[in-house]
Amino acid sequence: DARVTQTPRHKVTEMGQEVTMRCQPILGHNTVFWYRQTMMQGLELLAYFRNRAPLDDSGMPKDRFSAEMPDATLATLKIQPSEPRDSAVYFCASAQGGRPQHFGDGTRLSIL
Amino acid sequence: DAKTTQPPSMDCAEGRAANLPCNHSTISGNEYVYWYRQIHSQGPQYIIHGLKNNETNEMASLIITEDRKSSTLILPHATLRDTAVYYCIVRVWGDSSYKLIFGSGTRLLVRP
Repeated sequence: DARVTQTPRHKVTEMGQEVTMRCQPILGHNTVFWYRQTMMQGLELLAYFRNRAPLDDSGMPKDRFSAEMPDATLATLKIQPSEPRDSAVYFCASAQGGRPQHFGDGTRLSIL
Repeated sequence: DAKTTQPPSMDCAEGRAANLPCNHSTISGNEYVYWYRQIHSQGPQYIIHGLKNNETNEMASLIITEDRKSSTLILPHATLRDTAVYYCIVRVWGDSSYKLIFGSGTRLLVRP
């Protein structure tokens, strides 16, 4: 089965460091989503892209987070500078148009 | 956006049917009901979706009431591997793409 691939699976770093999370969507999917999951807030949508263009990033803290799609096979989510409150599991999902989203297994991020 | 209400937890015996309810009384006529589940340490997994007719696939059945204000996900023969958090989501439509707004879900425990 085709899968969404996220790297790294785990990341531990100190506050103030830059963090880059990567996502390889399923081949042929033109919509990519970034979510964050914490115990307190649950699953939250941060941003999503269609055909590599950002459509909505209203869920993302603008001052330190940025999301890009350099090409159709790679989406990135960057945090600079990172803070302890950014500790969470970050999920990427992809979909073809209006079809169901398929999720990766996430990046578990810990900011010390 | 239509919101959903689900019981926080349920349990059922292995081999029996698991019936997970969901209320979405403010759903709009063109909004779909989606079900996802999340097994521990994994990304959410798509199960099934529907608009107003009952749907069935290899994983589950979805029963939507005639007034569309509630639905039930049925796992016909639950196994231990079905222990997970189940999310009932109403699809938000925007700009030819779509967002999923996750609530708290129902934590299903399948007992041996």
